[in-house]
Amino acid sequence: AQSVTQLGSHVSVSEGALVLLRCNYSSSVPPYLFWYVQYPNQGLQLLLKYTSAATLVKGINGFEAEFKKSETSFHLTKPSAHMSDAAEYFCAVRTYNNNDMRFGAGTRLTVKP
Amino acid sequence: NAGVTQTPKFQVLKTGQSMTLQCAQDMNHEYMSWYRQDPGMGLRLIHYSVGAGITDQGEVPNGYNVSRSTTEDFPLRLLSAAPSQTSVYFCASSKIDRLNTEAFFGQGTRLTVV
Repeated sequence: AQSVTQLGSHVSVSEGALVLLRCNYSSSVPPYLFWYVQYPNQGLQLLLKYTSAATLVKGINGFEAEFKKSETSFHLTKPSAHMSDAAEYFCAVRTYNNNDMRFGAGTRLTVKP
Repeated sequence: NAGVTQTPKFQVLKTGQSMTLQCAQDMNHEYMSWYRQDPGMGLRLIHYSVGAGITDQGEVPNGYNVSRSTTEDFPLRLLSAAPSQTSVYFCASSKIDRLNTEAFFGQGTRLTVV
């Protein structure tokens, strides 16, 4: 069964610094990978998704992620953090032969002024 | 654009009580699912459905029932609530499509069982 692991339950960066949130996946078939963001007391909002069209995926709010098959990774990055980026971020995986979407444990991003 | 609508937003139950969490979507999505979110555990899949009349179990189905009589609605039933079911519950829907399989989420139901 497919799964994802998010390294680091809590990441803290200064405003303007690089944001790097790590996600590694496990899947025996080509995966579809997603990053979602959750602001306090809200539902999940899609940031970006990988669907095999391109390995570097650009999303909303200046975020991007790169699919690296050799490393089974799909890390999320943003060159310069903004205070409004403070939220919880979830990596998720779905495979084409199984519509289940499985989530990582989440990474809470704190942005310091 | 309503998207995925969950009701209620908040609920407090006593141990042993039953209740139904409602979920409706207006996007004509075939696939619907229920997750629970607990601190440090991400979202865990409870039950899912690939279409009206078809449901299946996810990772943590015990204590929950579902049915899918229409494309739009996918209620989650707790037959006898337990404190371990205190959680935030999310309903999601998506189209069954290899190229566009993102899920759309409701705003969540925060359930406390005392």
